[in-house]
Amino acid sequence: QQQVKQSPQSLIVQKGGISIINCAYENTAFDYFPWYQQFPGKGPALLIAIRPDVSEKKEGRFTISFNKSAKQFSLHIMDSQPGDSATYFCAASMDDYKLSFGAGTTVTVRA
Amino acid sequence: DTGVSQDPRHKITKRGQNVTFRCDPISEHNRLYWYRQTLGQGPEFLTYFQNEAQLEKSRLLSDRFSAERPKGSFSTLEIQRTEQGDSAMYLCASSLQGSGGYTFGSGTRLTVV
Repeated sequence: QQQVKQSPQSLIVQKGGISIINCAYENTAFDYFPWYQQFPGKGPALLIAIRPDVSEKKEGRFTISFNKSAKQFSLHIMDSQPGDSATYFCAASMDDYKLSFGAGTTVTVRA
Repeated sequence: DTGVSQDPRHKITKRGQNVTFRCDPISEHNRLYWYRQTLGQGPEFLTYFQNEAQLEKSRLLSDRFSAERPKGSFSTLEIQRTEQGDSAMYLCASSLQGSGGYTFGSGTRLTVV
């Protein structure tokens, strides 16, 4: 049973556009929500993370929006670049250890 | 410190053989995790160590799987009597308790033929 549901499965965006990936969770005990970026043949790399006491966190071109009441969070990639083409995973955990991952979104940025 | 190291990067084995993977975490991290990732899916939790103690094992980890972390440093994951369904990327990660974020290694890709 997947505890974190992620959509869309894939998306294509033009260079300079905005990529938006959405995730939903059921377990209200989750208290840490990271996003990971993964390139082919590599392990996932932590991109940005948020805790439920804030509704938004921005780091460079990457922003997490968090809606605690709806149990949803999303990743926005602004000014998308070809180097952003990768698979993105949302995840959630409680007590800072075991992560439950979404199924991933493959982002393709067209030049 | 160069991050989390995993060895080997790739392993091809015949069904029924035993395989062992090694993970060297970031030295100051006291938590170590093993995950499994199949094509087109997110990583799935297998097991977790805090220092040398194995504190949780997923039900995905059948009796053919065993993990150790002697002396709280490197860890090994052994799969006995491999099956084709074991083919996957095996990812190791480490973290410092309370920090939230993991650092993953590049994984060991296992192919069982």
